[in-house]
Amino acid sequence: NAGVMQNPRHLVRRRGQEARLRCSPMKGHSHVYWYRQLPEEGLKFMVYLQKENIIDESGMPKERFSAEFPKEGPSILRIQQVVRGDSAAYFCASSASGGSYEQYFGPGTRLTVT
Amino acid sequence: GENVEQHPSTLSVQEGDSAVIKCTYSDSASNYFPWYKQELGKGPQLIIDIRSNVGEKKDQRIAVTLNKTAKHFSLHITETQPEDSAVYFCAASKPGGSYIPTFGRGTSLIVHP
Repeated sequence: NAGVMQNPRHLVRRRGQEARLRCSPMKGHSHVYWYRQLPEEGLKFMVYLQKENIIDESGMPKERFSAEFPKEGPSILRIQQVVRGDSAAYFCASSASGGSYEQYFGPGTRLTVT
Repeated sequence: GENVEQHPSTLSVQEGDSAVIKCTYSDSASNYFPWYKQELGKGPQLIIDIRSNVGEKKDQRIAVTLNKTAKHFSLHITETQPEDSAVYFCAASKPGGSYIPTFGRGTSLIVHP
């Protein structure tokens, strides 16, 4: 399957713990985007990365959230000291290039903070 | 920044009927308009897109129209089937920078058999 892969699919964390969400882009894609989706709402952009570079993090909360896309391995979205308001579905998308409009989404990680 | 409004939020039709979902955008520089279908528990899937140099695009039972002057675009699904039931999102992107799309809030389409 050459599609975008995300894991875990479901993640439960207690308040104050750390959440790590992983995304492997489609084969041949080197651009990764993270989005957050709250119930009954659309997708909100968080961060756009290329290998080893953060290109646009204008949608990322200033505190507790970070993202990386290392030279080797998946992209990781990290949420430190999670709070109940972080409960949401987090989607990763990939594109072939930064000048490519078409983005292909993964199945998402559903984070629940208890 | 860009603002995308999507209507209706819920649409209920009988199998075989047509369904139309409408979106408006605010930034005249936007020139790429994708539509995504999201089934329960899954990620959004790109189903059709249109660029601002065309007014209409069709793919089997799905069509999208674009009115650049009025800054609105629509998704048309004909001969709806129960498997069309899902949440549909429109989006708008503009060139330059990161090409990040702005999404509408979604339309929940229910097709009754």
